[in-house]
Amino acid sequence: AQSVAQPEDQVNVAEGNPLTVKCTYSVSGNPYLFWYVQYPNRGLQFLLKYITGDNLVKGSYGFEAEFNKSQTSFHLKKPSALVSDSALYFCAVGTGGFKTIFGAGTRLFVKA
Amino acid sequence: DSGVTQTPKHLITATGQRVTLRCSPRSGDLSVYWYQQSLDQGLQFLIQYYNGEERAKGNILERFSAQQFPDLHSELNLSSLELGDSALYFCASSARVSANTGELFFGEGSRLTVL
Repeated sequence: AQSVAQPEDQVNVAEGNPLTVKCTYSVSGNPYLFWYVQYPNRGLQFLLKYITGDNLVKGSYGFEAEFNKSQTSFHLKKPSALVSDSALYFCAVGTGGFKTIFGAGTRLFVKA
Repeated sequence: DSGVTQTPKHLITATGQRVTLRCSPRSGDLSVYWYQQSLDQGLQFLIQYYNGEERAKGNILERFSAQQFPDLHSELNLSSLELGDSALYFCASSARVSANTGELFFGEGSRLTVL
C-alpha cells in the first residue's frame, strides 16, 4: 500500500536561513509526488510536483524539492526562509490509481 | 482564490443529525474530491467523482455518501452524526480523471462541529 511520512511535526527556522521539510514515501511503481501548503483558515494550495525527469523540482514562492529514489524521499527546501512562509506543509503521493495520499503535515515556524 | 466554492463555511449541529456539504468545482474541472481534516487523523481522502461517476473511494464511513450532479457540483451527505465527525471537510477539483498527474485545487473547507 502506498504511504507518505512527514517525520517532523514542526520545523523552526530563523528568517533568512535555509529550510528543509522532510518527506518519505512508499509506493509500488513510479511515484507521483506533491507538496501543498495550508495557511490558517484556508484550503491547501499546490506548491510543486514531481512526475518524472529532473530530480530537482522548482515550485511556487521560491520553494524547491529534491526527489531521491534510493532514499525514497522528497524533501521540500527553500534557500532563505521568510516569516510569511510560516504555514502547514503537506507532502502527498500518488501512483497509477486515482488516490492521492497526504502526509500528516509539518508545521513550519519562521522566526523574525 | 482557487475557484472552488464550498458551502457552508461553518456548521454546528447535534449528534444524530444529518447535514449536506456542497462543493462547486473550478470551471471546467470534471473531477471532485472530498477530504476530511481532523486534528488526530490529518487529511483523509474520502471519495472522488469524475464527470458524475464515482472513481475512487477512501476511508469513507457508510453513514457518509456523496454524489456529483450533471452540472458537476458535488454534495457530501453526513448522517447519524457523531462527535468524532467534527472536522474540516475539504472539496478539491482537478481537470483530470486522476489527481496523480496534476494538481488539486482546494476550496476553503466546511468546518463541521457536532455537539
